[in-house]
Amino acid sequence: SQTIHQWPATLVQPVGSPLSLECTVEGTSNPNLYWYRQAAGRGLQLLFYSVGIGQISSEVPQNLSASRPQDRQFILSSKKLLLSDSGFYLCAWILGTGEVRQFFGPGTRLTVL
Amino acid sequence: KQEVTQIPAALSVPEGENLVLNCSFTDSAIYNLQWFRQDPGKGLTSLLLIQSSQREQTSGRLNASLDKSSGRSTLYIAASQPGDSATYLCAVENSGTYKYIFGTGTRLKVLA
Repeated sequence: SQTIHQWPATLVQPVGSPLSLECTVEGTSNPNLYWYRQAAGRGLQLLFYSVGIGQISSEVPQNLSASRPQDRQFILSSKKLLLSDSGFYLCAWILGTGEVRQFFGPGTRLTVL
Repeated sequence: KQEVTQIPAALSVPEGENLVLNCSFTDSAIYNLQWFRQDPGKGLTSLLLIQSSQREQTSGRLNASLDKSSGRSTLYIAASQPGDSATYLCAVENSGTYKYIFGTGTRLKVLA
């Protein structure tokens, strides 16, 4: 069966510090991968998605970037965090070959102080 | 641009009630619609997926319907239980994009 991991689970970082959040998927190959942010009291905002290694599409201009160095690894990064980057970050995947159900990881709670 | 709205934003009901959560979307050219459950501080769990050619899906006490022409979906929860307390989100995928647009959710509390 497929599983999706995210780490760290929680993170407290000062403004201006760098960020690296990691997501890995097990039990499938060549999935579509997604990064979402969920701010307090708001819906899920799609930040990035990837259909393959090295292929990244950005949905919203911002202070963040994403990379996919391996088929089942998706990384969210920032060089300098802003207060507005605080939120709950969720990684998700879709198999993408006829199966369109989306599955989510457990999330990372980021607080920027 | 696709917009997804969920009403009500919050709902509190006594245990045992049947209830309906609503989801509306502005662009009817969707491929799929999913209903998710999110517990506080957790990721999302997929409950039901309705493909565009389908009108409804059922899983246990949950039934979701889809009316593409009117841009609406409803999630029906029968005989609600305190364990059903969570936020319920709907999401639509526009044709062929593999990208889901989410509503802001309905926060449900079932009182024992």
